[in-house]
Amino acid sequence: AQSVTQLGSHVSVSEGALVLLRCNYSSSVPPYLFWYVQYPNQGLQLLLKYTSAATLVKGINGFEAEFKKSETSFHLTKPSAHMSDAAEYFCAVSDQPSNTGKLIFGQGTTLQVKP
Amino acid sequence: SQTIHQWPATLVQPVGSPLSLECTVEGTSNPNLYWYRQAAGRGLQLLFYSVGIGQISSEVPQNLSASRPQDRQFILSSKKLLLSDSGFYLCAWSVSRGTEAFFGQGTRLTVV
Repeated sequence: AQSVTQLGSHVSVSEGALVLLRCNYSSSVPPYLFWYVQYPNQGLQLLLKYTSAATLVKGINGFEAEFKKSETSFHLTKPSAHMSDAAEYFCAVSDQPSNTGKLIFGQGTTLQVKP
Repeated sequence: SQTIHQWPATLVQPVGSPLSLECTVEGTSNPNLYWYRQAAGRGLQLLFYSVGIGQISSEVPQNLSASRPQDRQFILSSKKLLLSDSGFYLCAWSVSRGTEAFFGQGTRLTVV
């Protein structure tokens, strides 16, 4: 069975500092991996996805993530945090090979950006 | 382009009352449809998914049910709400055998 673990339920950074949100996955097959962002009382918005192409994936709003098979990780980074990045971030893995499209989510990481 | 509509945005219901949340998708055919629940301070739990009209799979035993009467309509229901049904409910869709899911704006349900 697939699973996702997000290390750190809360991360606080200063504006302009590096953002690093950690995600480790468990999967018996090559995974499809995703990062979503959720602003208060809103749905989830896709930031980026990894589907077995390039291991470094660039997404929206300056975020990127690197798939590292040897470490079973898919950490999300952004070189310089902006106040508008404050939100909750979810890492997810897709349920291959059944291909129902179900996503298994981590518990989420709340990103706080301090001025 | 595809869009997903979910309503209502907020709902306050007494314990024991019925529930009906509706979700519709536009701009695509035969999508996979999902209902997720997000409890306060927790991640997302998949409640139901559907790969076609009338086809519903339940992920967890609970007080809720789902139906898909039309290709792009997904309904979440309960006959009698419990306090524990409170939460943020999210509808989502994906392309059949596709990858990412696209989410609606969610319904904040408070059972009092």
